[in-house]
Amino acid sequence: ETGVTQSPTHLIKTRGQQVTLRCSSQSGHNTVSWYQQALGQGPQFIFQYYREEENGRGNFPPRFSGLQFPNYSSELNVNALELDDSALYLCASSLIVESTGELFFGEGSRLTVL
Amino acid sequence: SQQGEEDPQALSIQEGENATMNCSYKTSINNLQWYRQNSGRGLVHLILIRSNEREKHSGRLRVTLDTSKKSSSLLITASRAADTASYFCATDREAQKLVFGQGTRLTINP
Repeated sequence: ETGVTQSPTHLIKTRGQQVTLRCSSQSGHNTVSWYQQALGQGPQFIFQYYREEENGRGNFPPRFSGLQFPNYSSELNVNALELDDSALYLCASSLIVESTGELFFGEGSRLTVL
Repeated sequence: SQQGEEDPQALSIQEGENATMNCSYKTSINNLQWYRQNSGRGLVHLILIRSNEREKHSGRLRVTLDTSKKSSSLLITASRAADTASYFCATDREAQKLVFGQGTRLTINP
């Protein structure tokens, strides 16, 4: 167990709706990253937050947005949901230091868009 | 887009046999990591190998890295039924922004 918790574990939305996913990072970690994993694919980097600021973004449209709070927990918001947004959303926490690149993942939030 | 490509996409072996998975990537890297994912769950870090290392061991795992060929391999020795999972390689060009391959689905038959 990594100490990273995500909620909710499963949810169903309809096209056009908005969704908020939440993540509590492992104690002592100051960086949170979000990944989208479509069925049968590898995870794709959405964005990373460090000290409450976005610190890099993958190839995702602006309707994917995020927040990091002073306690390093994080939210992922997706507006105007599309069918292709159906995926497992993974949160990963880490401590940005030079010597390690390991990420600690939560169990994910599985989003189904109908 | 996926940087890495794992080969094979699926692998089925008998318990006790060794399993080898390969990963190729396209650009220069700082390090390469391997992760494991049980069905539909979170990823678990297995091992990290830096770009200046060629081989690394951790328990029953052995990872090699060939930066000239932009490829890596993961060997699991003496496989067990509990090793059944998907295995992903991930490269790290920027601090902890990982680029994953599509994974190898490993099935260990008892």
